[in-house]
Amino acid sequence: KAGVTQTPRYLIKTRGQQVTLSCSPISGHRSVSWYQQTPGQGLQFLFEYFSETQRNKGNFPGRFSGRQFSNSRSEMNVSTLELGDSALYLCASSWVGDEKLFFGSGTQLSVL
Amino acid sequence: GENVEQHPSTLSVQEGDSAVIKCTYSDSASNYFPWYKQELGKGPQLIIDIRSNVGEKKDQRIAVTLNKTAKHFSLHITETQPEDSAVYFCAASHGGDSNYQLIWGAGTKLIIKP
Repeated sequence: KAGVTQTPRYLIKTRGQQVTLSCSPISGHRSVSWYQQTPGQGLQFLFEYFSETQRNKGNFPGRFSGRQFSNSRSEMNVSTLELGDSALYLCASSWVGDEKLFFGSGTQLSVL
Repeated sequence: GENVEQHPSTLSVQEGDSAVIKCTYSDSASNYFPWYKQELGKGPQLIIDIRSNVGEKKDQRIAVTLNKTAKHFSLHITETQPEDSAVYFCAASHGGDSNYQLIWGAGTKLIIKP
């Protein structure tokens, strides 16, 4: 059974650009959530999607957005990149109503 | 806002010895407490979890204890092995149906010395 797939694995962008990250959940999982991970900061919750609808959102500026497609695949977009956006972005999927999260390996974003 | 404090940030133990990582949470309504292990280059993986109606849970060499009164919970790893070397994260649930999320600790880097 395939796990959560995130693409690309690495990205290098410059300030002011925008970026789109992709996440394919485990087959059958309809809930997808996104996290930002920086060294020493743990995981910060960005947002969660279920049935193409954003169910919950963390405390991030509006530059961070996401969406979910009918096949449960999800994308997140960061516009007007800042140096502080450099981080590992993790996607997790889960069964509906299940608290157990299954994470992908993440996309490492570097903003220069 | 709600937070989870995790200690220590780095823990180095001799192979075969036990390791204990502690977390304290602030939301008295938290009722779900998972522990995740993150190996280099990979995403976090759930290793054990506990709910607020249980005081302790074991799975082979791993155990988690919960003290609701003191609002802290701990991960115990016995007979540590080299493959236990990783970063461990604790988390606590926060919110209800429309705003549910996990609040995460900052992580503990566990080093197993041969």
